[in-house]
Amino acid sequence: GAGVSQTPSNKVTEKGKYVELRCDPISGHTALYWYRQSLGQGPEFLIYFQGTGAADDSGLPNDRFFAVRPEGSVSTLKIQRTERGDSAVYLCASGGIIGGELFFGEGSRLTVL
Amino acid sequence: DAKTTQPTSMDCAEGRAANLPCNHSTISGNEYVYWYRQIHSQGPQYIIHGLKNNETNEMASLIITEDRKSSTLILPHATLRDTAVYYCIVRGGTSGTYKYIFGTGTRLKVLA
Repeated sequence: GAGVSQTPSNKVTEKGKYVELRCDPISGHTALYWYRQSLGQGPEFLIYFQGTGAADDSGLPNDRFFAVRPEGSVSTLKIQRTERGDSAVYLCASGGIIGGELFFGEGSRLTVL
Repeated sequence: DAKTTQPTSMDCAEGRAANLPCNHSTISGNEYVYWYRQIHSQGPQYIIHGLKNNETNEMASLIITEDRKSSTLILPHATLRDTAVYYCIVRGGTSGTYKYIFGTGTRLKVLA
């Protein structure tokens, strides 16, 4: 498919474990965004990339959260020492031009037990 | 970034126009207004955006007041498939950042 792909679609882990969530953006899109969404809330901004660099990471809640995009395409959101409060749907979006439409994936649902 | 205020929920009869308001009284001159919607269990979907002129596309119309402090998204003929949460976003455009801050949105229910 030509859309934004996120894997895994569901992840269940135990408190304290390390988790990686992957995002494959639409080919050629230079902008990539990560959001997380808790039940009944709107998506919460975490970080966005323009190419390989993080243009704005002001939404990352603490230093347990880290994201990379080494080749300017696929991105990985990494969460260390997971906590129950990290349980949410993590959404990825990509965009082709600055200020243009964002295309969202279906999300990765993370459950921390 | 400018904050937006939207009603928590709205109902609309199928086939009628749905008018969703948004207040953004602190918007600055270079900030755009974006609308996205999220159908249950899916990622948000772009609808439309604008700066100061009214905009129309195949999905909706966006009416922005002259002082830009509020806007209205219009779905001209709502269908049951338009039931979703609608988010009004003022895109941060200062200091070269382009983050989109979502609020809690308006839950639109289209009634048969």
